Amino acid sequence: GAVVSQHPSRVICKSGTSVKIECRSLDFQATTMFWYRQFPKQSLMLMATSNEGSKATYEQGVEKDKFLINHASLTLSTLTVTSAHPEDSSFYICSARVGGANTGELFFGEGSRLTVL
Amino acid sequence: GENVEQHPSTLSVQEGDSAVIKCTYSDSASNYFPWYKQELGKGPQLIIDIRSNVGEKKDQRIAVTLNKTAKHFSLHITETQPEDSAVYFCAASPGNQFYFGTGTSLTVIP
Repeated sequence: GAVVSQHPSRVICKSGTSVKIECRSLDFQATTMFWYRQFPKQSLMLMATSNEGSKATYEQGVEKDKFLINHASLTLSTLTVTSAHPEDSSFYICSARVGGANTGELFFGEGSRLTVL
Repeated sequence: GENVEQHPSTLSVQEGDSAVIKCTYSDSASNYFPWYKQELGKGPQLIIDIRSNVGEKKDQRIAVTLNKTAKHFSLHITETQPEDSAVYFCAASPGNQFYFGTGTSLTVIP
């Protein structure tokens, strides 16, 4: 299947700092990428839809200024957690759809474990 | 919007037995139904999917069935092995969005 790569896989930061997570589609172009947050033993919570060359679409309740998403190219989307606090600690996962926007398969990255001290 | 329900939340089976996980969806516009396997600390991995024009699909020990009329679809794993232990998520897609079930933690007991 298609490969979606995330980096870093784990990051520990101090409260108040910002952290950037990268999501890359390695063997295909992705006009749309999705960012999820997952709490322990829970399902995937969609945070936002990242659109190449335009603003991201955020889900209700997700702070746009807190979670900055940039999709500058067809193979790279970034999620920046600004002024991180301990409650932002979580597992963040990106995904991208291969093929048609409404017909393609969805592939996930390996996830990024954020711990805010 | 779409609402996906998944059952059971936990499932334990003996090695070699079969495991069945069921999902229901609400939006008749959903036409694509993937299943994902997530191991601890990793991202979900696509293991099988089915589209609305097909009733059943099989890939070795894994099969998925779809009943469009009843709006439910199921994952079947036969001859389970310890390495099948993981959390499994179903999803339904009516367009560009994906809606996920709450997950099933499968434990295969050696």
